Amino acid sequence: SQTIHQWPATLVQPVGSPLSLECTVEGTSNPNLYWYRQAAGRGLQLLFYSVGIGQISSEVPQNLSASRPQDRQFILSSKKLLLSDSGFYLCAWTPQGPGNQPQHFGDGTRLSIL
Amino acid sequence: DAKTTQPPSMDCAEGRAANLPCNHSTISGNEYVYWYRQIHSQGPQYIIHGLKNNETNEMASLIITEDRKSSTLILPHATLRDTAVYYCIVRVRGSARQLTFGSGTQLTVLP
Repeated sequence: SQTIHQWPATLVQPVGSPLSLECTVEGTSNPNLYWYRQAAGRGLQLLFYSVGIGQISSEVPQNLSASRPQDRQFILSSKKLLLSDSGFYLCAWTPQGPGNQPQHFGDGTRLSIL
Repeated sequence: DAKTTQPPSMDCAEGRAANLPCNHSTISGNEYVYWYRQIHSQGPQYIIHGLKNNETNEMASLIITEDRKSSTLILPHATLRDTAVYYCIVRVRGSARQLTFGSGTQLTVLP
């Protein structure tokens, strides 16, 4: 069966520090991968999605970037964190190809910027 | 993707059916309706989805109106563990793009 892993589960970082959050999917190949952010009390906002290695689409201009160095690995990064980057970050995946398969989410990373 | 409208909160007695409504009046013919839920501090959990026929799985039933402008998620026998925020989302079939999450419905199951 397929599983998705995110780490770390929680992270506290000072303003101006770098960030690297990692997401990996097991049990499938060539998945579509997604990064979302959820601010407290709000819905999810799509940040990035990827349909293949090295292919990244950005949904909103921001202080973050994403990379997909391997088929089942998706990384969210920042060179210098801002206070506004605090939030709950979620990675998700779907199988590749046409269809109506639902997205499946990881357990998230709660990021606090001090 | 079509916009959805859900009530901000609902209560349900434990053991009773929970019926969560969703309006998606601008839905187009190739858009599916998806339901997710999110328990506090966890990632969203997929529940069910459908196009125009009613659907049922081990978690819930999805009733879509004939004109497809609204739907209802039914949890047949709600338990305390069903307390969560429930999101109704529409998405184009085959789209690799986002699920647009709104603010959802906070369902509280009462003992």
